[in-house]
Amino acid sequence: DIQMTQSPSSVSASVGDRVTITCRASQGISSWLAWYQQKPGKVPKLLIYAASSLQSGVPSRFSGSGSGTDFTLTISSLQPEDFATYYCQQGNSFPLTFGGGTKVEIK
Amino acid sequence: EVQLVESGGGLVQPGGSLRLSCAASGFTFSSDWMHWVRQVPGKGLVWVSRINTDGSGTSYADSVKGRFTISRDNAKNTLYLQMDSLRAEDTAVYYCARDRPGSNYYFDYWGQGTLVTVSS
Repeated sequence: DIQMTQSPSSVSASVGDRVTITCRASQGISSWLAWYQQKPGKVPKLLIYAASSLQSGVPSRFSGSGSGTDFTLTISSLQPEDFATYYCQQGNSFPLTFGGGTKVEIK
Repeated sequence: EVQLVESGGGLVQPGGSLRLSCAASGFTFSSDWMHWVRQVPGKGLVWVSRINTDGSGTSYADSVKGRFTISRDNAKNTLYLQMDSLRAEDTAVYYCARDRPGSNYYFDYWGQGTLVTVSS
């Protein structure tokens, strides 16, 4: 199975900050990676797929990059509604696996 | 509007069975792969199973293989998860999710989830 490791596990940031979250796969997954946002009590929301493609309706302040084993999710200017937990997920092979999550908290 | 509505969760004793349903609307259900994903409250997301468009192809996480069975009824626009030999560690919120059309195994729509509690 492909292990997905996210870092950091939590980050404290202020509105307007640039936030970067990293995700590392235990083996190469080309660009088969997605990012999700989950707010407390809500269902996950797809933000980015294929490592860098923005899902329809997602604000352009979210961007993704990377290929192979190392990926990043960047929020260019953190907004109040962005405080949430973010998960990466590999879509390269079954079983599909998620990272452990990164909680973005208010500083 | 795409909607996925799960039902069938509840309290069950260890070793028991439960069948989850996911009613789909707002899209051509028979054209899309579907998945089940679970989440222990306060913990991370875990993929459980997937099924292809006509039900002829399925995959499972090792933790549920041989105990859970995914199926679908395209005439009823409904996805199912039959869960047998349930264990305490199966306690979680179970989400059905649509496989994003045209891409590799990403989940673009999720149901609201149904809670399964395995306890005596």
